Amino acid sequence: QQQVKQSPQSLIVQKGGISIINCAYENTAFDYFPWYQQFPGKGPALLIAIRPDVSEKKEGRFTISFNKSAKQFSLHIMDSQPGDSATYFCAASMRASGSRLTFGEGTQLTVNP
Amino acid sequence: EPEVTQTPSHQVTQMGQEVILRCVPISNHLYFYWYRQILGQKVEFLVSFYNNEISEKSEIFDDQFSVERPDGSNFTLKIRSTKLEDSAMYFCASSVVINTEAFFGQGTRLTVV
Repeated sequence: QQQVKQSPQSLIVQKGGISIINCAYENTAFDYFPWYQQFPGKGPALLIAIRPDVSEKKEGRFTISFNKSAKQFSLHIMDSQPGDSATYFCAASMRASGSRLTFGEGTQLTVNP
Repeated sequence: EPEVTQTPSHQVTQMGQEVILRCVPISNHLYFYWYRQILGQKVEFLVSFYNNEISEKSEIFDDQFSVERPDGSNFTLKIRSTKLEDSAMYFCASSVVINTEAFFGQGTRLTVV
């Protein structure tokens, strides 16, 4: 019940295209959903996060869509750039568990020039 | 910009030896975490720490592991007797309050030989 399922495992898009990564969770007690970006050899960097009281959050080219009833959330990267090529992790946490983050399996995004 | 700092960046140790991984969290943060990432896999929670005690720990965090905040700035992870399977990237993270943005350090790559 603590798992977060992420898909696809890898994604290749053309420069200027839209990248979409999906995550699903089971535990309805999760109340914080961040996305992290990780470059090789680096630590995860917080990209954007959402709480279940809103259905969408946008920051620049990055948008989270949240569907509480379906227990799914997704990351959309508009106008994808080669510099966006990285591994993206969704995660979830809840206050009751001391905010331990449960991560998805990761999506390796490649944006071709 | 404040950041979480980890040392060393790479540690090689012999099986059975003790290692201490060090972290300096962001100065006004109150919650501290250790995560690990085995090569090519997702990030896994180890332990959270608040108010000088462990808030939560995962099943990975067995008696071989311990954490300490020896002074006002450092946060350490000790592995008493390392095993080959402890080889991974270890990330320290911190957050201001519970269940909000967690910022990760660059990681320590631990190699047990």
